[in-house]
Amino acid sequence: GENVEQHPSTLSVQEGDSAVIKCTYSDSASNYFPWYKQELGKRPQLIIDIRSNVGEKKDQRIAVTLNKTAKHFSLHITETQPEDSAVYFCAASNENTDKLIFGTGTRLQVFP
Amino acid sequence: GAVVSQHPSRVICKSGTSVKIECRSLDFQATTMFWYRQFPKQSLMLMATSNEGSKATYEQGVEKDKFLINHASLTLSTLTVTSAHPEDSSFYICSALTTATLYGYTFGSGTRLTVV
Repeated sequence: GENVEQHPSTLSVQEGDSAVIKCTYSDSASNYFPWYKQELGKRPQLIIDIRSNVGEKKDQRIAVTLNKTAKHFSLHITETQPEDSAVYFCAASNENTDKLIFGTGTRLQVFP
Repeated sequence: GAVVSQHPSRVICKSGTSVKIECRSLDFQATTMFWYRQFPKQSLMLMATSNEGSKATYEQGVEKDKFLINHASLTLSTLTVTSAHPEDSSFYICSALTTATLYGYTFGSGTRLTVV
């Protein structure tokens, strides 16, 4: 089955700096790659997603890139703000099973 | 947008008792529901997939007799933790596959289960 690895596990940045989180996946059939932000005790909140027919997608300060050949995708947050502090998860799914498999998570801390 | 209502949000039960968690899709038909478990400071681990009208499929290592899943209608899926033990204490969350408008996943708000 699908296995999603995520790095780093923790990331501390200064306000205004950029943050990059990277994920790799194992199942070549995976074709949908969402990123979630989760605050303590809350449901995951979708912040951006990308499908396998696209290499990059941007939404204001957030961007995601996908390299299907290498089976990895990355989240880029620019001009970070303290309110960006949370745990971020990448995930992958494929149209055969629709199972959404999560990465191990990254705790992002943005210091003022 | 699509909404999944999950209840209860918190539950405390005694060891050996059973607890039922409900997830309802409020404005769409959830033909497929996924159930996850999340321990503190860990990721969401997929437990099982339920499809309306058929038996749930469980991930490796998840006891199907302990975690009973019922998906009797297109708007309701339930997870029952039977004979709960302290090690079952966790955050349980459901996720419905939404395909009506755009392919994606809608999460319930989660249930914090504490077994004492």
